[in-house]
Parts: sequence; C-alpha cells; structure tokens
Amino acid sequence: AQSVTQLDSHVSVSEGTPVLLRCNYSSSYSPSLFWYVQHPNKGLQLLLKYTSAATLVKGINGFEAEFKKSETSFHLTKPSAHMSDAAEYFCVVTLPQSSKLIFGAGTRLAVHP
Amino acid sequence: DGGITQSPKYLFRKEGQNVTLSCEQNLNHDAMYWYRQDPGQGLRLIYYSQIVNDFQKGDIAEGYSVSREKKESFPLTVTSAQKNPTAFYLCASSTTGGVNQPQHFGDGTRLSIL
Repeated sequence: AQSVTQLDSHVSVSEGTPVLLRCNYSSSYSPSLFWYVQHPNKGLQLLLKYTSAATLVKGINGFEAEFKKSETSFHLTKPSAHMSDAAEYFCVVTLPQSSKLIFGAGTRLAVHP
Repeated sequence: DGGITQSPKYLFRKEGQNVTLSCEQNLNHDAMYWYRQDPGQGLRLIYYSQIVNDFQKGDIAEGYSVSREKKESFPLTVTSAQKNPTAFYLCASSTTGGVNQPQHFGDGTRLSIL
C-alpha cells in the first residue's frame, strides 16, 4: 500500500538559513511524488514533482527535492529561507496508474527574523 | 487567467440543513476532486470525477453528494447526514483523467456550524 510520512510536524528556521523538510514514502511501484505548499486560508500550490526522470527536481521559489529510492525519501530543501516561505508543506504520492493522491499530514514551517 | 474558483469563501450551516459548495474550473481539465481538510491533518478525498456524468466515492464520502453535469463544474453538497461538517473544503482538477498528474487547487471554502 502507498503511504507518506512527513517526519516533522513543525520546523522553525531563521531567515537566511537552510530549510529541510523530510518526507518518506512507501510504494509497491515507482511512484510519482509531489510537494505542495499551502498559505493560510488558501488552496495548495504545486512546488515541484518527480515522475521518474531526474532524481534531483527543481521547483518554484528556489525549492528542490531529491528522490532517493534506496532510502524511500523525497526531502524538500531550500538554501536560504525567506519570511514568505512560512506556510504548511505537504508531501504527496500517487497511487499507481491512478488519479488519486495520498497526502502526508503536513509540516508547518516557521521563519524567524 | 485559467484557474479554479470556489464559492463561497465562508459558509455557515444550520442543524438539519443541506448546503452546496461551488467549484468551477476553466482549465479544460477532465478530472475534478473534493477534499476535506481538518486542522493538523492532511487532505482526505471525499469524491472525484474523471469524466462528465461519472464520479466515484473517495475515502470519506458518507454524508456528502456530488454531481458532474458539465466539465467545468463539480458542486459538493454537504447533507444533514454529515454530523461533523466543520472543516476547510478544497476542490482540485487535473488533466486527462489525472493519472500520475499533479492537481490544481482552488482557494477553498470554510464551512462552520451555526
């Protein structure tokens, strides 16, 4: 069965320092993986997606993620946090040959001056 | 600009009342979805539709109903049978049946009980 585990419910960083949001997945097949961001009272915006091409995926707003099959991980990183990055982040996996998405519980990122 | 429009932004329901949440998209997407979001939880799928006049139950369909009479529209009715309807509801769409595709989201409707 497919599942997603976001290892931290809250992450707090200082502005200008690196961001690491951790995600492990479980899948019987080669998965498609996504990271979404949600600002308060808003919908979800796609940050990046992995669909079995390059294992290092670059997204919007300076974010990137690396697919590591041996570790079943898809961690999201950014070299330098901005105040505007404060939001909730969701790691998502698709069921094979399906339009259904499986969401992690989310990681809330706080960025301090 | 193409996108997904949800309305209203805030909605209040009285006991025993059915309410309908609107979702319209102009992205020409085939697939549409409804999710429920509760605090501190990820999104849970209520219903989805991959083509007009067809839809399937998601993981938490009890107490909800949908229709898909037009490609652009996928309204969700929260019925009186849904005993705990207070939540943030998100509508999404994706291309060509949505297999392995990312979904595009609206800005949500927040439903509360009066």
